[in-house]
Order: sequence, then structure tokens, then C-alpha cells
Amino acid sequence: AQSVAQPEDQVNVAEGNPLTVKCTYSVSGNPYLFWYVQYPNRGLQFLLKYITGDNLVKGSYGFEAEFNKSQTSFHLKKPSALVSDSALYFCAVRDSGTYKYIFGTGTRLKVLA
Amino acid sequence: EAQVTQNPRYLITVTGKKLTVTCSQNMNHEYMSWYRQDPGLGLRQIYYSMNVEVTDKGDVPEGYKVSRKEKRNFPLILESPSPNQTSLYFCASSLSGVDTEAFFGQGTRLTVV
Repeated sequence: AQSVAQPEDQVNVAEGNPLTVKCTYSVSGNPYLFWYVQYPNRGLQFLLKYITGDNLVKGSYGFEAEFNKSQTSFHLKKPSALVSDSALYFCAVRDSGTYKYIFGTGTRLKVLA
Repeated sequence: EAQVTQNPRYLITVTGKKLTVTCSQNMNHEYMSWYRQDPGLGLRQIYYSMNVEVTDKGDVPEGYKVSRKEKRNFPLILESPSPNQTSLYFCASSLSGVDTEAFFGQGTRLTVV
């Protein structure tokens, strides 16, 4: 069965510092990996995805993610955090048969001024 | 503007009173789905539809029904709501294809008393 794990419920980082939000996955076959962000009282917004190719994927709002096949990880990164990045972040893998998204439990990012 | 629209945004109802949450998308997407979001559990898929007149169960379908009579609409029906269906619900749509990102509605916060 496919699954996604986000080991940290919350990540705190100072504004201007680099941030990492961790995600590991377990899939059979090729992984189709996504990151979404949820701001308060809003739906999820797409940030970036890995389908194939370059292991470093660039996305919206200055975010990027590094795909590591050997470690089965897809960590979200940003070189310099902003207070406005504070939100709930979800990693997801998409099932190639049903197209269902399997979400992690989410990581709350708090960027401190 | 490309969007997924859910209504209502907030709903308080009593046990056993049938309700419908509407979902409409204006992007001509084939794939639509419903998720519920609960603390510590992330998002779990309730039902999905790969195209008109084609629907299937997700991970937590008990107590829910859906229909897909038109491409743009995918209502979620609770025939006899119970308190354990109190949750935050999201509708999402995407193009067909496992590598496509989803667009999410704003969410419906349902409370069943």
C-alpha cells in the first residue's frame, strides 16, 4: 500500500533562515509526489510536484523540493523563510491506478519574526 | 477565474437530517473527488469520479453518497448525518492523468449535533 509520512507535527524557524519540511514515502512503482500548502480558512494550494527528471523541483513562492530515491524522501525547502510562509503543509503521493491522493498528516510551519 | 466552488462554507445540522454539499468546477476537469480533513489524520478520500457517470469509493465512504451527472458538478450527500461526520470537507478537481495537480475548494466545515 502506498503511504506518506511527515514525521514533524510542527516546525519552527526564524525569519530569514532556511527551512525544511520533511516527507518520506512508500510506493510500488513510480512515485508521483506533490506538496500542497493550506492557509487558515482556505483550501489546499498546489506548490510543486515531482514526476520524473531532475531531482530538485522548483515551485511557487520560492519553494523547492528534493527528491531522493534511495532515501524515499521528498523534503520541501526554502532558502530564506518569511513570516507569511507560516501555514500547514501537506505532502502527497498520487496513486497511479485510482488517481487518489494519499496525504501525509501535515506539518505546521511557524516562521518567527 | 479558474476555481472550485463549494457550498455552504459552514453548516450546523442535527443527527439524521439529510444534507447536500455542492461542488462545482469551471475548468472542464474530468477527475473530481471529496476529502475530509480531521486533526492528526490529514486528508482522507471519501469518493472520487474519473468522469461523468463514473464514481467509486475512496478510503472512508461509509455514510456518504455522490453523483456525477454533469462534468462540472459533484455533490456530496449525507443521507443521515451522525456526529462522527463532523469534519472539514474539501472538494477537488484535476485533469485526468496521474501527474496533474489538484485544485481544491475552500472547504465546508460541517458540525452534526
